[in-house]
Amino acid sequence: EAQVTQNPRYLITVTGKKLTVTCSQNMNHEYMSWYRQDPGLGLRQIYYSMNVEVTDKGDVPEGYKVSRKEKRNFPLILESPSPNQTSLYFCASGKFEKLFFGSGTQLSVL
Amino acid sequence: GQNIDQPTEMTATEGAIVQINCTYQTSGFNGLFWYQQHAGEAPTFLSYNVLDGLEEKGRFSSFLSRSKGYSYLLLKELQMKDSASYLCAVRDDKIIFGKGTRLHILP
Repeated sequence: EAQVTQNPRYLITVTGKKLTVTCSQNMNHEYMSWYRQDPGLGLRQIYYSMNVEVTDKGDVPEGYKVSRKEKRNFPLILESPSPNQTSLYFCASGKFEKLFFGSGTQLSVL
Repeated sequence: GQNIDQPTEMTATEGAIVQINCTYQTSGFNGLFWYQQHAGEAPTFLSYNVLDGLEEKGRFSSFLSRSKGYSYLLLKELQMKDSASYLCAVRDDKIIFGKGTRLHILP
């Protein structure tokens, strides 16, 4: 089944404790992206990748890192999470005319 | 700069028709998407327009005017399950989303 797999679904952590949210797709897509969604602000792009080893900042990249060492995986890394990074996160991958989303990760930073 | 505008909320009645508008100003344009999102769930794809005109897909239709930077999503024969947020997104090299329109359906 074609899908974007994102883990974990829920995560509660404390300020400063490094964490990684994984994202994997099995559709051989070149384009992958991370978004965060907050009430009233919509989906805001954190980072995106046009292909392996190619990553670019989106609108809200501060406090986040990504890597694209292989086509299928695009992990999101928070080196030192802070409470303002509490949010719902979505990974997505796509071809030119369609974007597929993972199920989301609800992150709470205490 | 990049800007995508759509109404924050709309209300319509079951069985009726509703039109959700989206205007955009982006540095480039390679297509416009509409997505549906129920609360707490991932967005799901509805439509993609790259050329001007109307694309019809069952009860949902999407229209694009590139010269006006304008699109709309038309939902016919509204059902209660259509209560959701509808997201307009534009692709240049990356894909940028508007803030979404929350649609309430009244019985």
